Amino acid sequence: SQELEQSPQSLIVQEGKNLTINCTSSKTLYGLYWYKQKYGEGLIFLMMLQKGGEEKSHEKITAKLDEKKQQSSLHITASQPSHAGIYLCGADDQAGTALIFGKGTTLSVSS
Amino acid sequence: KAGVTQTPRYLIKTRGQQVTLSCSPISGHRSVSWYQQTPGQGLQFLFEYFSETQRNKGNFPGRFSGRQFSNSRSEMNVSTLELGDSALYLCASSPSGPKVNEQFFGPGTRLTVL
Repeated sequence: SQELEQSPQSLIVQEGKNLTINCTSSKTLYGLYWYKQKYGEGLIFLMMLQKGGEEKSHEKITAKLDEKKQQSSLHITASQPSHAGIYLCGADDQAGTALIFGKGTTLSVSS
Repeated sequence: KAGVTQTPRYLIKTRGQQVTLSCSPISGHRSVSWYQQTPGQGLQFLFEYFSETQRNKGNFPGRFSGRQFSNSRSEMNVSTLELGDSALYLCASSPSGPKVNEQFFGPGTRLTVL
């Protein structure tokens, strides 16, 4: 079965600093989703990547998909306290009817 | 457009009891999926319903069951609760179609089993 591994597991950055979160798949990626979660709450959809080399941006968050490496990265520029939370990557399972998730990266931003 | 709603938001039960959680999808969405989130295992897929039929099921014991009604609302039931069932239960809805293409998640139900 496919697994998604996220790194780092947790991250503390100073406000204004850049950071990168990685998501590596054990199998070929056909679609990769990034979500953000505030503790104990539901997931907020950030973006979806479907093609190798694809790059998408939303405000100060940029995600890229490297199909060859079976990896996606999420980059936050000039972090702010509002960026704090848990970032999860998800991918379609082989049947295409469920999402599998990485275990998440907890981001804290100190002011 | 109203988002995915889940009720109740918080629930405390004791071992051996059963519990029913409810999820109302976004209007027009016919697919509802359920996930369990724990600190140790992360987010794990429970099952997915589409047009009142269970299409896919994750690796959970038979104590976990669900159903979907004709208005696409879904319920999940956990019988004979165990301490390990304490978790955040999330449901997600997506538009009709066979592939997951952007699921919208509800706020979750926090279940605590004592």
